[in-house]
Formats: sequence, structure tokens, C-alpha cells
Amino acid sequence: DQQVKQNSPSLSVQEGRISILNCDYTNSMFDYFLWYKKYPAEGPTFLISISSIKDKNEDGRFTVFLNKSAKHLSLHIVPSQPGDSAVYFCAASDPNDYKLSFGAGTTVTVRA
Amino acid sequence: DAGITQSPRYKITETGRQVTLMCHQTWSHSYMFWYRQDLGHGLRLIYYSAAADITDKGEVPDGYVVSRSKTENFPLTLESATRSQTSVYFCASSSSGWQPQHFGDGTRLSIL
Repeated sequence: DQQVKQNSPSLSVQEGRISILNCDYTNSMFDYFLWYKKYPAEGPTFLISISSIKDKNEDGRFTVFLNKSAKHLSLHIVPSQPGDSAVYFCAASDPNDYKLSFGAGTTVTVRA
Repeated sequence: DAGITQSPRYKITETGRQVTLMCHQTWSHSYMFWYRQDLGHGLRLIYYSAAADITDKGEVPDGYVVSRSKTENFPLTLESATRSQTSVYFCASSSSGWQPQHFGDGTRLSIL
């Protein structure tokens, strides 16, 4: 049973606008959350993370929000650029367990 | 260069054959992982290792064998390949449960 869910398989956004990617999880033991970006024929690349003691973490154009009571996190990309076109994976872990559980991914397409 | 490398990048084999996928990291990370990526499933954990000579099963271990005699290497063996094991395989490593995992570029394995 998938413990991390990304319910939107794809997202299309215009260049310069905001991209919002969503992720839900079911395991209340998860305390560490990450987003990865993946281009074709390459491995996933770490983008940004957040621990459960925070509700927001920002890194340049990327911001991750965590709502622990709702078991929900989101990734905002502002402004979206053509190079952001990729598959984005949400991942979560109980750090004492050090294993990651991944969502199925959301394919983002940024239109010029 | 420091990093994590996987070999081969592409492999075609036949059902019933044994095949080994190699993974090598130069960071001296304690933790190493093998995932497979399939459409609709994201990345699923096959096996992981907390240190040399310590390995454990992940979510989908059946049909796979791993070993870790040295910290830097974590080979994955399919003892008798089946068509259902056609997939893209990713190796990853990390220094702790609170640090992101870093991924290799993957091995695309096709079993005919």
C-alpha cells in the first residue's frame, strides 16, 4: 500500500507563473520530507527538504510547505522556467529508519 | 570525480539468466540503496544496507540478491531474470537518515 501519494500525474504551467505540486502521506511516523527532480535518462536529483519541526522551507525559487496535521506537503516553484520541466518525486521517511518512501511522481511541463 | 556511478547503463538479457548491476560511491557513505522505477509506482526500494556486511530487504526484494563486502560497492544480482524485472534500476547512498539520498544515473534493464 503506497504510503506517499502524488495524485496529479502531470501539470502544465506557463513560463513565469507558479507551479504547485502536491503530496499526501499516510504514515504518522514520517518526520523528514524531500522533493526530487528527475530528467529523462538521469537519476533523481535532490531539490529541497523539510523536517516536521518546520512548516516551511525556502531555497531560491523553491518553497516546500508542510501541514503535518493534514499529512500534506506541497512544492511551490516561482517563477517557473523551461528548465523546470521534469518529473518531480515527493519522498518521506522516518529518519530512524533511513528508508525513503516515494510518490509516483508528477510530470511538470513549462510552456513558453 | 566524487559521486555515485552505476554500470552498465543499459543491459538486455534473456529470461533465466543471471545478471549483476554494479554501484560504486566515492563519498564513503554508510547507507546504500537499490530502487526500481516503474510507471505508476515511482521508486520502490528493493534492498538497502546500513554498512558493510549489513543488508536488509525493502519493499520488493523477491528475485534479487545483494552483497556489501566493501563500503563503496553495493552490487545487485538477479539470480534468474524474469520479464517482470524489466525496469530502470537506481542506486543511491546517504550519510544518515537526516540527509538526502544521492542517486546514480540508473541502469535500464530489459529482459526478453
